[in-house]
Amino acid sequence: KNEVEQSPQNLTAQEGEFITINCSYSVGISALHWLQQHPGGGIVSLFMLSSGKKKHGRLIATINIQEKHSSLHITASHPRDSAVYICAAVGNQFYFGTGTSLTVIP
Amino acid sequence: GAVVSQHPSWVICKSGTSVKIECRSLDFQATTMFWYRQFPKQSLMLMATSNEGSKATYEQGVEKDKFLINHASLTLSTLTVTSAHPEDSSFYICSASYAGMGDGYTFGSGTRLTVV
Repeated sequence: KNEVEQSPQNLTAQEGEFITINCSYSVGISALHWLQQHPGGGIVSLFMLSSGKKKHGRLIATINIQEKHSSLHITASHPRDSAVYICAAVGNQFYFGTGTSLTVIP
Repeated sequence: GAVVSQHPSWVICKSGTSVKIECRSLDFQATTMFWYRQFPKQSLMLMATSNEGSKATYEQGVEKDKFLINHASLTLSTLTVTSAHPEDSSFYICSASYAGMGDGYTFGSGTRLTVV
């Protein structure tokens, strides 16, 4: 069993839809990252969370420490949001989810 | 701020040759660098962690003699794939952290290595 589980694995949405990607973890962590990987491979760190909620533009990330669960939300999705989103937990080592491949159709 | 520049972005090499990948922190001093490998449609796999001026710590199963990591300065870390074989073909990416960054990390843009 992976220490970090993401769902869904693949997601296709129409432009404008509200999107939620979930991440559950089973280890103790000090922080959790949401990463975005574009088709070319480059990775951008979207959020680092240790509690509560963060918002950046159309992206919102939440974390519930007690439930060991985090969500990434995208409001008013756009084709340029198409990417792989990876949840990464920072404990005594890095724990990566397997990623959610998002495709937003115009 | 906190930008890591990774070069080259892609490289094709012949079997048996060595390839060096560089990660350079442009506007901060990277006390710790992490090197990852990613196979197609899989997530990142941490290969090793390096701290400036000391030997890298390799994850289980990663051959330290094959993947040489040097972190000789606070702004530069290199990964050298020695005697490359086709099975070394992969996407390699670095990330860096610095004192005061908490648990935050910044990533390089990655290097796609193809060994023919």
